[in-house]
Parts: sequence; C-alpha cells; structure tokens
Amino acid sequence: KAGVTQTPRYLIKTRGQQVTLSCSPISGHRSVSWYQQTPGQGLQFLFEYFSETQRNKGNFPGRFSGRQFSNSRSEMNVSTLELGDSALYLCASSLAGGVTQPQHFGDGTRLSIL
Amino acid sequence: AQKITQTQPGMFVQEKEAVTLDCTYDTSDQSYGLFWYKQPSSGEMIFLIYQGSYDEQNATEGRYSLNFQKARKSANLVISASQLGDSAMYFCAMRESRGANSKLTFGKGITLSVRP
Repeated sequence: KAGVTQTPRYLIKTRGQQVTLSCSPISGHRSVSWYQQTPGQGLQFLFEYFSETQRNKGNFPGRFSGRQFSNSRSEMNVSTLELGDSALYLCASSLAGGVTQPQHFGDGTRLSIL
Repeated sequence: AQKITQTQPGMFVQEKEAVTLDCTYDTSDQSYGLFWYKQPSSGEMIFLIYQGSYDEQNATEGRYSLNFQKARKSANLVISASQLGDSAMYFCAMRESRGANSKLTFGKGITLSVRP
C-alpha cells in the first residue's frame, strides 16, 4: 500500500510569492491534516480536511489556506510568503481522523524563503 | 498550559539496552488518544504506537511499549534492545475528542542517541 505522497520535496521561493503544496493520502484515507515544523515552534497544526470540508483550523494567518478534492487529495496554499514561512510542511492522513486513529505522515515539503 | 510535555532535552543509551522517554499530558477529556512518533534526521514522521484513554492494558508494538499511567497523566515510551537506527527525535502527541481540540497536538520532542 502506497504511503502519503507529498510534492514537491523541496521548494525555494522569494518573499511575496505564493506557493502550493500537494498531498496524496493513503488509499482509503479520507482525513488529511497539515502541519508546519520549525526549529523554534516545533510541530504546529495548520488544518484538517475530511470529505472536502475543513474540520479544524490552527492558529495561522489567512495567508495559509487549503482544500481537499473528492479523491481526498489535498493542497495547501501560502500567499505573500514571508521569511518566517521557511519550514518543513508535513501532511498526514488517517481513515477518518478520530481519536483512535493514528495519522500517517508523508516525507514533507521543505520550503525555503529567500 | 502545555498539552504535551516532554522535558528530557536529549537522551543517550547504549546499544542493546532499554530506554524510557517521558511524556506527560494535560486534558479534561475522558476520551483521547496518545501517540508516539519517530523522526529521523531525514525528516519523515514514523508512527510507532497508540494508546487509547479507555485501554486498560499498556500498548505494545514490537520493541516499543507504552507505560500508560492515567491518574498521573503520563504516557512514557519504552524502547527495548536499542539499535543504532533508533537514533532520532521522538514526539509524543495527543488527540482529544472535543470539537476545536480535536487535533493532534505534539510535544517538543526528545532527541535519542544510541551509542555503539
């Protein structure tokens, strides 16, 4: 069974640009969550999608947005990039996102802002 | 208040020995799940083990076991027979059941180094 696939693996952007990251969950998984990981803040929850609906959202500015498609694939968009957006962005999927279900992570997209 | 606390900044263990990584959590929910993840230097997050709040027995998964003490709100990970490949960051995480809190919250992680 294929794991969670994130593309691209690495990305370099400049301030003010926008970026779209993609995540394909494990087949059959309908919940997709996104996290930002930085050395200073650790792992922070961005948002969770289930059946194309945003179910939960973390404490991030509106520049961070996401969506989920009918095949459960998800995209995350960051507009007007800032230096502080440099981070490892991790996507995780689970069957339905309940408290008993482990989330399985992709390898992440490492975003660098110049 | 922090939901997940991992206070050990770095741990060292000799190969083939056992090691315990500490995790305490804070919740008023009755229903919640506790998870441990491993993150090697390459960056991927690997799910290791899960413990449900209603589970009466401690979870085990191969060389990993979870020492769950509900009254103390602790969920320590025990790795037996450490291997060099166990060197990584280890994260404890919790998912509560209620509405806005129903997301996976991570601790700051513990670095484990296995010495040959």
